[in-house]
Amino acid sequence: ETGVTQSPTHLIKTRGQQVTLRCSSQSGHNTVSWYQQALGQGPQFIFQYYREEENGRGNFPPRFSGLQFPNYSSELNVNALELDDSALYLCASSLKRGGPYEQYFGPGTRLTVT
Amino acid sequence: GDSVTQMEGPVTLSEEAFLTINCTYTATGYPSLFWYVQYPGEGLQLLLKATKADDKGSNKGFEATYRKETTSFHLEKGSVQVSDSAVYFCALIQGAQKLVFGQGTRLTINP
Repeated sequence: ETGVTQSPTHLIKTRGQQVTLRCSSQSGHNTVSWYQQALGQGPQFIFQYYREEENGRGNFPPRFSGLQFPNYSSELNVNALELDDSALYLCASSLKRGGPYEQYFGPGTRLTVT
Repeated sequence: GDSVTQMEGPVTLSEEAFLTINCTYTATGYPSLFWYVQYPGEGLQLLLKATKADDKGSNKGFEATYRKETTSFHLEKGSVQVSDSAVYFCALIQGAQKLVFGQGTRLTINP
């Protein structure tokens, strides 16, 4: 069974640029959620994708957007990067059937905005 | 909205000591509860879970019991090891959507 993978591992961008982060879900999972974890904090929910549609969104501005593909992999796009966007971005996959909807996390992408 | 409050860290213990990390939650319904662990430089790993009141989750010597009357899900381990040093997150979920995390508790175990 293949776990959740994310790419790239690390990324350095300049303020105002755009970035795309990628996630491959665990085999058999149909739902992908994205979280932002600032240094020393717990992860904060950005949004979730199920069957290629957004299925809930946290308190993040529209410049955070995403996609889910037919193979259930996903992308997180962030436009007009700000210094506060520097964080670990975590992707989690789950199976939306029955419960309790355990989410399994990838290793994360560390984004630094300078 | 739903929220999770964890014991403030950092927590430093000696090897073989007893561990308790407190976690309380606020939720309108009946959430499922989780403990995740994050080792340095890594993502989150699911440690244990409980889906209803009085359920006890356990894994790798860690235990936590879902207490609806006190809205708590405290993490315990009888004898910690140096390899248990990590950051521990308590979290809840309602339905299939978002996990709500506590702020995390950093645990350091000294030999």
